[in-house]
Amino acid sequence: GENVEQHPSTLSVQEGDSAVIKCTYSDSASNYFPWYKQELGKRPQLIIDIRSNVGEKKDQRIAVTLNKTAKHFSLHITETQPEDSAVYFCSTRGPGATNKLIFGTGTLLAVQP
Amino acid sequence: DGGITQSPKYLFRKEGQNVTLSCEQNLNHDAMYWYRQDPGQGLRLIYYSQIVNDFQKGDIAEGYSVSREKKESFPLTVTSAQKNPTAFYLCASSADPQRGYTFGSGTRLTVV
Repeated sequence: GENVEQHPSTLSVQEGDSAVIKCTYSDSASNYFPWYKQELGKRPQLIIDIRSNVGEKKDQRIAVTLNKTAKHFSLHITETQPEDSAVYFCSTRGPGATNKLIFGTGTLLAVQP
Repeated sequence: DGGITQSPKYLFRKEGQNVTLSCEQNLNHDAMYWYRQDPGQGLRLIYYSQIVNDFQKGDIAEGYSVSREKKESFPLTVTSAQKNPTAFYLCASSADPQRGYTFGSGTRLTVV
């Protein structure tokens, strides 16, 4: 079935540095790739998404890139701040007509002040 | 509270007991989902429902049951057959496959 691999599992950066989280997926028919941020003890929140007809999307300090040929997509956070510390999940829509999402295993990002 | 409410926030279960987790949404979303979250394992799909009176098993449905009698409600029952139920349970809903999910705030279930 559909599988999403996410790396790294933990990432520590200094405040102001950039952070990059990478995901690969197995189903070439996947066409929607949302990213979620989950702060400790809270619900996941959608922070950015990209569709398969777009190669890159930016929203202030956050950007996502998609390489359909290689079947991987990445989250880029620039000028990191302590409030960016959280677990980040990549996901992709599963196969078939359903709209269920398949999630990566998460990346714990720690931004050191 | 984001339009999707889970209750209770914390739940304790004794061995051999069934417990039911509530999930209610007022977003008029057709699709609803239950995920289980364990440390280091991300979000794993338990059950999902795309329409009232219909639901499908996810990847880890054994030991769980659901119902979808109303569009707004998708309760999850953790049965005694679930041998390792201690986890954080998240409910989500979606109106459109291309818009992602809205998550509830979760229920933390602990076996005592």
